Amino acid sequence: AQSVTQLDSQVPVFEEAPVELRCNYSSSVSVYLFWYVQYPNQGLQLLLKYLSGSTLVKGINGFEAEFNKSQTSFHLRKPSVHISDTAEYFCAVSVPSGGYNKLIFGAGTRLAVHP
Amino acid sequence: NAGVTQTPKFQVLKTGQSMTLQCAQDMNHEYMSWYRQDPGMGLRLIHYSVGAGITDQGEVPNGYNVSRSTTEDFPLRLLSAAPSQTSVYFCASSKRGVLPYNEQFFGPGTRLTVL
Repeated sequence: AQSVTQLDSQVPVFEEAPVELRCNYSSSVSVYLFWYVQYPNQGLQLLLKYLSGSTLVKGINGFEAEFNKSQTSFHLRKPSVHISDTAEYFCAVSVPSGGYNKLIFGAGTRLAVHP
Repeated sequence: NAGVTQTPKFQVLKTGQSMTLQCAQDMNHEYMSWYRQDPGMGLRLIHYSVGAGITDQGEVPNGYNVSRSTTEDFPLRLLSAAPSQTSVYFCASSKRGVLPYNEQFFGPGTRLTVL
């Protein structure tokens, strides 16, 4: 069965510092991987996705992620964070099911950016 | 475009009461789904629909009913609310297409408390 593990529940970081949010997945089939961001009191917004091709994926707001098949990881990175990046971040894997792609989410990582 | 809308934003119920969470989308998306978000557990799929008249169960369907009579609307019914259903509920929609994955667009959520 497919599953997603986000290794850190909370990540505190100072403004302008680099950050990495870790995500590992398990899947017995080809994977499609995603990072979503949830700002306080809002719904989820797609940050980036890996479907195929280049293993380095660039998303919105300066974020990028690298798909590593051998380590079954899809870590999210940003070289310099801003206060406005404070949010909860969810890693997810897509599971095909009769034409519909179910999303399996990790537990989330709360990123807190401090001045 | 309003995107995905959900009503109400907040709701408090007593154990045993029933209610319907409303979800509507104006993007003509074929697929719609309901998730619940609980601390430390990420989002879990409750029910989903691949078109009008077609629904199926997700990971955590017990205690919830859905129907899809139109493309635009996908209400979620709690027939007899229980404290375990205290959660934040998100509705999402996506377009059916030839891509291996089509982005799911999320509503702003409904925060439900069952006393």
